[in-house]
Amino acid sequence: GAVVSQHPSWVICKSGTSVKIECRSLDFQATTMFWYRQFPKQSLMLMATSNEGSKATYEQGVEKDKFLINHASLTLSTLTVTSAHPEDSSFYICSAKTGTDSYEQYFGPGTRLTVT
Amino acid sequence: AQSVTQPDIHITVSEGASLELRCNYSYGATPYLFWYVQSPGQGLQLLLKYFSGDTLVQGIKGFEAEFKRSQSSFNLRKPSVHWSDAAEYFCAVGAMDSSYKLIFGSGTRLLVRP
Repeated sequence: GAVVSQHPSWVICKSGTSVKIECRSLDFQATTMFWYRQFPKQSLMLMATSNEGSKATYEQGVEKDKFLINHASLTLSTLTVTSAHPEDSSFYICSAKTGTDSYEQYFGPGTRLTVT
Repeated sequence: AQSVTQPDIHITVSEGASLELRCNYSYGATPYLFWYVQSPGQGLQLLLKYFSGDTLVQGIKGFEAEFKRSQSSFNLRKPSVHWSDAAEYFCAVGAMDSSYKLIFGSGTRLLVRP
């Protein structure tokens, strides 16, 4: 149980285009989903927290207009990287949790984004 | 602000040897602590967690961790390492600001010698 999927697992896009990454909780309802960014050989950097039906809460320094997050249902959250540039190339990981008083997060397998 | 420190960037052990990965956290109250493992190009898998109770926690894949309040530590151990344990290990603490976010350490890369 508690499986989180991400799609696509890897994507290559051209500079200036937008790309959407999906995060789904397959066998549970996720009240909250988190989006992380991970640079090579580094730790996870939390980008934003999204609660179903609410606007995402972005961490300091993360551009809201560049990284659009939508959490339209209890099983799906999307991250759209708008007007992507090579510096946006990274590994993006989502996680999901159930309940309102739990710390335990279930992580997706990640999405490798390469912007050329 | 809360933080998690993993002082070892890399650790190399021989297969069959014991392992201890260090983790220190900064926060006075009883923290919520986690250890995750990440294989290359993959997401994170939960190894074990500590919320309260017995300070020695058993996890999956033969891992255990011990919470020591006096040392603000939550070190991960395994008595006999297998080659498949080679991965990146992250310690995390739950943020105490009602956000339920996790604060991750910088990670320790485990290399296993045959």
